[in-house]
Amino acid sequence: DTEVTQTPKHLVMGMTNKKSLKCEQHMGHRAMYWYKQKAKKPPELMFVYSYEKLSINESVPSRFSPECPNSSLLNLHLHALQPEDSALYLCASSHSGDRGRMDYGYTFGSGTRLTVV
Amino acid sequence: EDQVTQSPEALRLQEGESSSLNCSYTVSGLRGLFWYRQDPGKGPEFLFTLYSAGEEKEKERLKATLTKKESFLHITAPKPEDSATYLCAVQAGLLGQNFVFGPGTRLSVLP
Repeated sequence: DTEVTQTPKHLVMGMTNKKSLKCEQHMGHRAMYWYKQKAKKPPELMFVYSYEKLSINESVPSRFSPECPNSSLLNLHLHALQPEDSALYLCASSHSGDRGRMDYGYTFGSGTRLTVV
Repeated sequence: EDQVTQSPEALRLQEGESSSLNCSYTVSGLRGLFWYRQDPGKGPEFLFTLYSAGEEKEKERLKATLTKKESFLHITAPKPEDSATYLCAVQAGLLGQNFVFGPGTRLSVLP
């Protein structure tokens, strides 16, 4: 299995809702990432998990809460979002560290298109 | 601060018209430079990793090269299905913890 699977593909939520985005990989990668991408912009890093521990939080508002239950799963819990949070949310995974294992870079999922109304 | 720029911002080519995309970077401790292709509404798709100046990699109509300050993605005889946004990213830092994307080049290949 060489894929990162994200669900749901599309999500519409109100500003008072609570929802979760899910990401799964079975490539044995020990680093997993959440990115946010607005239209015609590059992906922006939100969170990095390395060996199931949060290692980087790029000053993301607390209405986004990541969780890594095990080495294959990554969740992003959403609460009280704003319309400006509407974007494509991408999950990615990679081997962590050593150069040889970065030969395939980061593997990205297809994303969740989130619309906040 | 690690920075990545790409040029041009957008490029329109006729089918078969070869060209090059540029990625310029300023980082401390480059661990790898990556090229990705992204189709609208999809996640980036990995193309190449380059590690050191002088390195080249090829895949079908694409060839990536790396110098100490920039990387080029050469597209030979492109086809309409090569239309996409091409993203360059660098991994840097002592532990490789910095992964920075450039803004991308939107390529359109017309039949």
